[in-house]
Amino acid sequence: EADIYQTPRYLVIGTGKKITLECSQTMGHDKMYWYQQDPGMELHLIHYSYGVNSTEKGDLSSESTVSRIRTEHFPLTLESARPSHTSQYLCASSDGGGITDTQYFGPGTRLTVL
Amino acid sequence: AQSVTQLGSHVSVSEGALVLLRCNYSSSVPPYLFWYVQYPNKGLQLLLKYTSAATLVKGINGFEAEFKKSETSFHLTKPSAHMSDAAEYFCAVSDSSASKIIFGSGTRLSIRP
Repeated sequence: EADIYQTPRYLVIGTGKKITLECSQTMGHDKMYWYQQDPGMELHLIHYSYGVNSTEKGDLSSESTVSRIRTEHFPLTLESARPSHTSQYLCASSDGGGITDTQYFGPGTRLTVL
Repeated sequence: AQSVTQLGSHVSVSEGALVLLRCNYSSSVPPYLFWYVQYPNKGLQLLLKYTSAATLVKGINGFEAEFKKSETSFHLTKPSAHMSDAAEYFCAVSDSSASKIIFGSGTRLSIRP
């Protein structure tokens, strides 16, 4: 089983609150990703990082921001949560530099914004 | 741009029956294709991947998938379903320009006793 962790697993929060979703991996992977997944829908890449101090926006526009200060840590922050942010957020990492790399996923954070 | 389509959001089979989960892709360049499985309350886990070697790819838990260029398909099969196979399965194709993976919408597999 992959060593990638996400906290919290579930979060219910009111509109306007600032939240940070944590993601950590102990595999020493350089590449990390955040996906957004709505029920019954495909995963959408919202952020990725190729290493420390490297962050890029993904295919799906998101109001969230990320940081990569340490290799093992890739937190996602929402400055002011809204009901439209309700979704599941999946973090992943991979160890190589090629397009055939296996991505290892965390268990996800299910966010509900009231 | 690359994309992947999974036919059937929900598939139900009897225990011991053949499992067939369909995936078609669209790609202007030779694709790399993946199947991931997501068990309840768990993260996605790689089942198998096609990387332009053998067209029949064997994965974990008895699953396999065949790359058919003429049909632009990469269907996932297992000869005999087990109750523990109940999960959501995602087909994915790589984006060769930016090392990203594009996922399908998933197929939920249910197993009837």
